[in-house]
Amino acid sequence: GAVVSQHPSWVICKSGTSVKIECRSLDFQATTMFWYRQFPKQSLMLMATSNEGSKATYEQGVEKDKFLINHASLTLSTLTVTSAHPEDSSFYICSARGTSGSITDTQYFGPGTRLTVL
Amino acid sequence: AQKITQTQPGMFVQEKEAVTLDCTYDTSDPSYGLFWYKQPSSGEMIFLIYQGSYDQQNATEGRYSLNFQKARKSANLVISASQLGDSAMYFCAMRVSGNQAGTALIFGKGTTLSVSS
Repeated sequence: GAVVSQHPSWVICKSGTSVKIECRSLDFQATTMFWYRQFPKQSLMLMATSNEGSKATYEQGVEKDKFLINHASLTLSTLTVTSAHPEDSSFYICSARGTSGSITDTQYFGPGTRLTVL
Repeated sequence: AQKITQTQPGMFVQEKEAVTLDCTYDTSDPSYGLFWYKQPSSGEMIFLIYQGSYDQQNATEGRYSLNFQKARKSANLVISASQLGDSAMYFCAMRVSGNQAGTALIFGKGTTLSVSS
C-alpha cells in the first residue's frame, strides 16, 4: 500500500512556542491531505482538509490562525501549531488520498505525531 | 448530517474465536463508502477493509469480512480466528460523495478489542 510519513513522531515544547509537523506521501501524489487530532482513547477528529496549491478548509471550531496548514506540493503538507499551549497536547495524524478522486480511494495515514506542550 | 456510531467501547474474545464489531451509519447520500481501520497502541492507522454502498457482495479480506446490511445501515466487521495481535482499537469510518468537507473520512468512536490466550 501507499506510504505516508510524518515528522517528527513526537515533540515536547514549551508553552508559547510554535511547532511544525510535516506530512509526506512517499510513493504517490496526493492532491488532498487531511489533518486529524486524537485525544487518548478517543476518536479521530478532522481538523482541516488541505488541497495542493490552495487554502485549507477548516472544520467548525478549529482556529485557522492557530493551526496553520500549507500544502505546497503534491507530496507535502505541513501543520504548524502556533503559540502552543498545554491544551494543544494531543496526537496529530495526517492522511493522504490519491488523485483519482473516487469515493473508493483509500485514505492512507501517517504514523502520527505526539505533541506535548509543557 | 453524516454520522458513524460504534456502541461497543470494548470487546473481549479468546484466541481462535470469531468476533463481531458493530457499526451503524447515517447518511442521506446514496453514494458512500465504508471503511474499517485498526489502530494498535503504536498509534498507526491500518486500513482493513472497504465496502461501497452499491457493492452487491459483502467485502472480505483474509480474516476480515464486512457484514453489510444496507437497509439497517449497518456495516459490522467480523474477525475470524482471532489472534493476540488483533488486540487494538478498531474504527469504522465513512466517506460520502457529497461531503462538503472534501470527502474526508468521518470516524466512529472506536471499539477496543482485547484478545486473550
